[in-house]
Amino acid sequence: GENVEQHPSTLSVQEGDSAVIKCTYSDSASNYFPWYKQELGKGPQLIIDIRSNVGEKKDQRIAVTLNKTAKHFSLHITETQPEDSAVYFCAARTGGNNRLAFGKGNQVVVIP
Amino acid sequence: DAGVTQSPTHLIKTRGQHVTLRCSPISGHKSVSWYQQVLGQGPQFIFQYYEKEERGRGNFPDRFSARQFPNYSSELNVNALLLGDSALYLCASSSYPGTSSYQPQHFGDGTRLSIL
Repeated sequence: GENVEQHPSTLSVQEGDSAVIKCTYSDSASNYFPWYKQELGKGPQLIIDIRSNVGEKKDQRIAVTLNKTAKHFSLHITETQPEDSAVYFCAARTGGNNRLAFGKGNQVVVIP
Repeated sequence: DAGVTQSPTHLIKTRGQHVTLRCSPISGHKSVSWYQQVLGQGPQFIFQYYEKEERGRGNFPDRFSARQFPNYSSELNVNALLLGDSALYLCASSSYPGTSSYQPQHFGDGTRLSIL
């Protein structure tokens, strides 16, 4: 099955700086890569996603890049704010069903 | 519009008991998936249902079962509870099961299950 790994496990950034989280996946058939933000006591919230036929996607301060050859994708958050502090999960979906394989998550701490 | 709703929010059970968790998908969504999230880990896929039929099953024992109703809501059942079943159980909905199409999954806030 698909195996997704996230690095680093914890990331601390100064408010206003950028944060980058990287994920790698194992199954070259994976075709959809969402990112979720999870706050304490809440379920994962979809913040951005990308399909395998696209290399980059941007939504305001958030962007995702995909490198299919290297089988990795990254989340970029610019101009970080304290409310960006949360656990971020990357996931990958292998074609044929809508089953998502998640990474272990990154704790992002934005220091005011 | 209401998002994915799950009930109950918290539940405490003892070993050997049985539990039923409930999920109502986003209006218009016909597919429901269940995930287990152990503390400090990412969600792990348990089941996917579409049009009342099981479309996928993760690597979980037969103690776990689920079903989907005509109104697309779903139940997850776990029998003979073990201490290791303590986790946050998440429900996600999407319009369709999703194959090569774009079918984002939206999660509820989950049911926190604690086994004593």
